[in-house]
Amino acid sequence: QSVLTQPPSASGTPGQTVTISCSGSSSNIGNNTVNWYQKVPGTAPKLLIYSNNQRPSGVPDRFSGSKSGTSASLAISGLQSENEADYYCAVWDDRLNGLVFGGGTKLTVL
Amino acid sequence: EVQLLESGGGLVQPGGSLRLSCAASGFTFSVYAMSWVRQAPGKGLEWVSGISDRGDSTFYTDSVKGRFTISKDISRNTLYLHMSNLRAEDTALYYCAKARLYTMPGGGFDSWGQGILITVSS
Repeated sequence: QSVLTQPPSASGTPGQTVTISCSGSSSNIGNNTVNWYQKVPGTAPKLLIYSNNQRPSGVPDRFSGSKSGTSASLAISGLQSENEADYYCAVWDDRLNGLVFGGGTKLTVL
Repeated sequence: EVQLLESGGGLVQPGGSLRLSCAASGFTFSVYAMSWVRQAPGKGLEWVSGISDRGDSTFYTDSVKGRFTISKDISRNTLYLHMSNLRAEDTALYYCAKARLYTMPGGGFDSWGQGILITVSS
């Protein structure tokens, strides 16, 4: 049971916009910045968003992040079949003095 | 190009010990924090441990405190994870990850190794 709550699954059709939520508390999201990762089975995780809403070079602007209070969201616009993957939020937790990942959201492109 | 290459994995009996290594290249190893992240079969990502740029600050998830030790050998550009008193629930693919920043939490992990499998079983 993670301290960060993500929906276990999400889906959309090509071209749609999908949003994945990540809910936490004052000791993590409420006080620290959120990062998002994409995990395709059989490959290493990839950093998609850092510092709530910043994209590393090479990440398309179809991926965007936001944070409000103790929740964060990842939005993927112009959905493509290659976006099928597991998505994880991650943030430092001041109470645990460690990093925590959300449980992950499996995105299916219908 | 940043490269992270893990080694030292394998099958170990419950209660046993193992040392993972992560050979780093393509960046100034002494300037960035590093971490180990694992993924158990069929499960999500779990952060295990982190270390600051110079190695003077270390952090652990509760389930491994007192059993795992993270360290950096800057002269060898290598990150280590010493694991002892291993349990079945430690079975996972372990990733070495480079932080974007010099200190934990690190601002996100922008480079990852391919992972090394640890299986704890009798």
